[in-house]
Amino acid sequence: GAVVSQHPSWVICKSGTSVKIECRSLDFQATTMFWYRQFPKQSLMLMATSNEGSKATYEQGVEKDKFLINHASLTLSTLTVTSAHPEDSSFYICSARDMQGARNEKLFFGSGTQLSVL
Amino acid sequence: DAKTTQPNSMESNEEEPVHLPCNHSTISGTDYIHWYRQLPSQGPEYVIHGLTSNVNNRMASLAIAEDRKSSTLILHRATLRDAAVYYCILRGVTSGTYKYIFGTGTRLKVLA
Repeated sequence: GAVVSQHPSWVICKSGTSVKIECRSLDFQATTMFWYRQFPKQSLMLMATSNEGSKATYEQGVEKDKFLINHASLTLSTLTVTSAHPEDSSFYICSARDMQGARNEKLFFGSGTQLSVL
Repeated sequence: DAKTTQPNSMESNEEEPVHLPCNHSTISGTDYIHWYRQLPSQGPEYVIHGLTSNVNNRMASLAIAEDRKSSTLILHRATLRDAAVYYCILRGVTSGTYKYIFGTGTRLKVLA
């Protein structure tokens, strides 16, 4: 149980275009989802915390107009990278908390999206 | 946000125990200690978590110091599939929301 599905797995886009990444909790409800980005051989950096039905909370230094996050339901959060540029190329990973029962401390992660901006 | 400090890398022989240390001297009383591991090009996977007492599960054991300023993840018998980057994380609460901040992680190499 506790599967988080993230799509697409990889995407290549031209500079200036927007890219949407979806994160779904398949068998549980996730009031809170988290978005991270990761550069090669580095750790995960928290970008924002997404709460269902409310605005996302962004970490310091993360541009909210650049990285649009929508958490419209208890099972779906999306990250849209707007007007992407080569420096936005990175591995983006979503994660979700299961609010129910004994699993509510754990984070369950998607498999990540490798974004390459040409 | 409280931070964690881990060695950059460690090596272990297959089928031997592995002790992965983590320092978190600025931990607050309500922070949980979590461990996750990540294989290349994948999202991290939950390993174990605890607050004050030592914890065991089917994957590993977590030993927490009495003052909670450090902890150790114990893999009882390392296998080649355990080769990964292991992250020690403090789960805190900010403005009523859980927050999971990753440290630099330890890259574990398992030798056959």
